[in-house]
Amino acid sequence: DVKVTQSSRYLVKRTGEKVFLECVQDMDHENMFWYRQDPGLGLRLIYFSYDVKMKEKGDIPEGYSVSREKKERFSLILESASTNQTSMYLCASTPLGIGNEKLFFGSGTQLSVL
Amino acid sequence: KQEVTQIPAALSVPEGENLVLNCSFTDSAIYNLQWFRQDPGKGLTSLLLIQSSQREQTSGRLNASLDKSSGRSTLYIAASQPGDSATYLCAVRPGNYGQNFVFGPGTRLSVLP
Repeated sequence: DVKVTQSSRYLVKRTGEKVFLECVQDMDHENMFWYRQDPGLGLRLIYFSYDVKMKEKGDIPEGYSVSREKKERFSLILESASTNQTSMYLCASTPLGIGNEKLFFGSGTQLSVL
Repeated sequence: KQEVTQIPAALSVPEGENLVLNCSFTDSAIYNLQWFRQDPGKGLTSLLLIQSSQREQTSGRLNASLDKSSGRSTLYIAASQPGDSATYLCAVRPGNYGQNFVFGPGTRLSVLP
């Protein structure tokens, strides 16, 4: 089975801190995604990547950046954490293609910014 | 712009009932539709994926159907169990390559023992 691993299940950070969320997948998937999920707002795409060193903005990229130096790893960076970035963060991956490629998710990181 | 809705928002049923969850999308130009399950505080688990050329997919007690022309999909759960309690989300992969998955808001299911 595909495994998408997020480094932390829970994180508590202070306003203004730089925060790194790490995601690793073990199935050689080309595509990786970062979402945030908030009650009443659903899943919203922050950034995605189709290849190493490639990144594309999603629907809500403000306040975030990403890094993809290796194919298996996609990092989300909060340059200066703010309280409105308190949320559940979900990483996902899928292979290249447009047919029957399933989207696989990690178990999520619940981030609290105080 | 593709939009996905799910009805009902929440559903509570007694154990053993068969039930149907609904997913609607506004643009029929899709590559596939996927159903997910999410337990509280956890990530999403893929249940079924239906390609645009398919009408349905089955896995155990789950059956998902797709009517692309009407923009609808249903997830049928047979003989529901308390362990089926979770939020169920559908997502479509729009037909314009490069467009990302669009998720519905989910249906929160409670199966009462």
